[in-house]
Amino acid sequence: DIQMTQSPSTLSASVGDRVTITCRASQSISSWLAWYQQKPGKAPKLLIYKASSLESGVPSRFSGSGSGTEFTLTISSLQPDDFATYYCQQYNSLWTFGQGTKVEIK
Amino acid sequence: QITLKESGPTLVKPTQTLTLTCTFSGFSLSTSGVGVGWIRQPPGKALEWLALIYWDDDKRYSPSLKSRLTITKDTSKNQVVLTMTNMDPVDTATYYCALTTLGWFDPWGQGTLVTVSS
Repeated sequence: DIQMTQSPSTLSASVGDRVTITCRASQSISSWLAWYQQKPGKAPKLLIYKASSLESGVPSRFSGSGSGTEFTLTISSLQPDDFATYYCQQYNSLWTFGQGTKVEIK
Repeated sequence: QITLKESGPTLVKPTQTLTLTCTFSGFSLSTSGVGVGWIRQPPGKALEWLALIYWDDDKRYSPSLKSRLTITKDTSKNQVVLTMTNMDPVDTATYYCALTTLGWFDPWGQGTLVTVSS
């Protein structure tokens, strides 16, 4: 099984901050990685697929990078609507989610 | 517009079997490459992938839950059904279904909360 480890688990930031979340895979997954945003009581929303491709309609302040075992999600300038929990997910071999990173107001 | 919606019991007793139905519209599960997956999320915890069925009836299961899960599809009704046997309080979660064509899940249903309690 492929394990996905996100860091940090919680991140405190202010509006306008640049935010980076890391996701590490237990083995190489090439670029088969997606990122989701989830708000309380809502279903996850796709942000990024294939490690760095931005889903249609997602603001350009979100970006993804990486390949192999290490990946990052970056929010270039945090907006009030971005306070949420973010999950990475690999789809190289079956499907596995990271444990989530909660972005909270500092 | 693609939509998915989960339905099923909100409360099940320990040892019972859970049956959840995902009813979808806007796509066909007979189209090559299309799959529907189930994912769950215990309260306050992370997402966990459970099972997935493809257009050609290929089925995949989470290794840790494989013995308890069965996924089926009814293409004519636009439905995917997940059964989970021997339910336990730790299975209390919101259960989601979601569409996949190339590996990522999009869109998702709204989710349905299932509580396991006697």
